[in-house]
Amino acid sequence: EIVMTQSPATLSVSPGDRATLSCRASQSVSRNLAWYQQTPGQAPRLLIYDASTRATSIPASFSGSGSGTEFTLTIHSLQSEDFAVYFCQQYDKWPLTFGGGTKVEI
Amino acid sequence: QVQLVQSGAEMKKPGASVKVSCKASGYAFTGYYLHWVRQAPGQGPEWMGWINPNSGGTMYAQRFQGRVTMTRDTSLRTAYMELSSLRSDDTAVYYCAKGVGPSTRFDYWGQGTLVTVSS
Repeated sequence: EIVMTQSPATLSVSPGDRATLSCRASQSVSRNLAWYQQTPGQAPRLLIYDASTRATSIPASFSGSGSGTEFTLTIHSLQSEDFAVYFCQQYDKWPLTFGGGTKVEI
Repeated sequence: QVQLVQSGAEMKKPGASVKVSCKASGYAFTGYYLHWVRQAPGQGPEWMGWINPNSGGTMYAQRFQGRVTMTRDTSLRTAYMELSSLRSDDTAVYYCAKGVGPSTRFDYWGQGTLVTVSS
């Protein structure tokens, strides 16, 4: 199975900062990659799919890039509601797999 | 609006089975695959499999083969996931999630069902 590795595990930032999160696949997943945001006690929320397409109602402050095995999620100018855990997920090959997450904290 | 509403929390003993339901509304139930994803405390999500609500066809992750059964009732717009031979490491929040297809991202999620396995 494809192993998704996210780094860093925890990212400490301040409101207004830019955050850069990384996701690496153990083999190429083309651009079949999604990013999710999860706050405590809530289900994940889709942010980005196909590596760089924002999902419905997701603000332009979120952007995704990359292809193959290396992907990045950038959050421009962090707001208080952006402090959460972020997961990447590949949907190129079975089984579908997720990364372990990056916690963005103050 | 799209909604996936799951059944309530369950507490089970090792060796027992659990069946979680997921009622869909706000979209064409038979037009989209429903996936099941679980998340153990402090861990990343883990995909378990999908059901095609139109045909009833299923695909399960290999590690759950033989223990998981996904079904649906189109008249109730509801999907079900049953996991048997429960172990303590099956303790997790179980989510249903709507997918565009069989191999896809998940654009809507249920609220989650906590399943606790403990003697």
